[in-house]
Amino acid sequence: AQTVTQSQPEMSVQEAETVTLSCTYDTSESDYYLFWYKQPPSRQMILVIRQEAYKQQNATENRFSVNFQKAAKSFSLKISDSQLGDAAMYFCAYRSSNYGGSQGNLIFGKGTKLSVKP
Amino acid sequence: DAGITQSPRHKVTETGTPVTLRCHQTENHRYMYWYRQDPGHGLRLIHYSYGVKDTDKGEVSDGYSVSRSKTEDFLLTLESATSSQTSVYFCAISESSGRSGGTQYFGPGTRLTVL
Repeated sequence: AQTVTQSQPEMSVQEAETVTLSCTYDTSESDYYLFWYKQPPSRQMILVIRQEAYKQQNATENRFSVNFQKAAKSFSLKISDSQLGDAAMYFCAYRSSNYGGSQGNLIFGKGTKLSVKP
Repeated sequence: DAGITQSPRHKVTETGTPVTLRCHQTENHRYMYWYRQDPGHGLRLIHYSYGVKDTDKGEVSDGYSVSRSKTEDFLLTLESATSSQTSVYFCAISESSGRSGGTQYFGPGTRLTVL
């Protein structure tokens, strides 16, 4: 079974600085998807970024980028120019590329709480 | 934002009572999911649906049942609520499989308290 581990329960960053959130996963599959979701105090789960395992290029969405190391099974999220609105829980998630049975479901890490200091 | 609504948004109930949570989508997506979120556990899958009347169990399905009679609605029922089912419940949807699909979009959540 696949597992997702976020080893940093809490992180803090100064406004306008850069912060990196860590995520590692365990799988025997070669093709899969990885996601970062943001959950602000409103509780809404918001997709931040998505990475396909078959793509070597790291995904980027504005100030958010990932460092995807497939061999190391590592998927970290880098937030550049941090803003007060980035304060939230961040969840890393894994999904198999196979939609058969339960394999299409998301497997989540336990989250990292990010605080942004003004 | 994906068109996903959940009702009710908040509910307080007593142990032993039945509870039904509703997820409604306007995106015509095939797949629908129910997760629960608890401190220290992240989100865990309860049940999911891969089509009308097609459902299956997830990681934490004990004490829950689901039904999907229409593409747009996915119901989660607690037959006899227990205090351990106090949680925040999220519904999610995704399109059919394929490299362009698979991203799950979440509803706003329902906070359920069982006294």
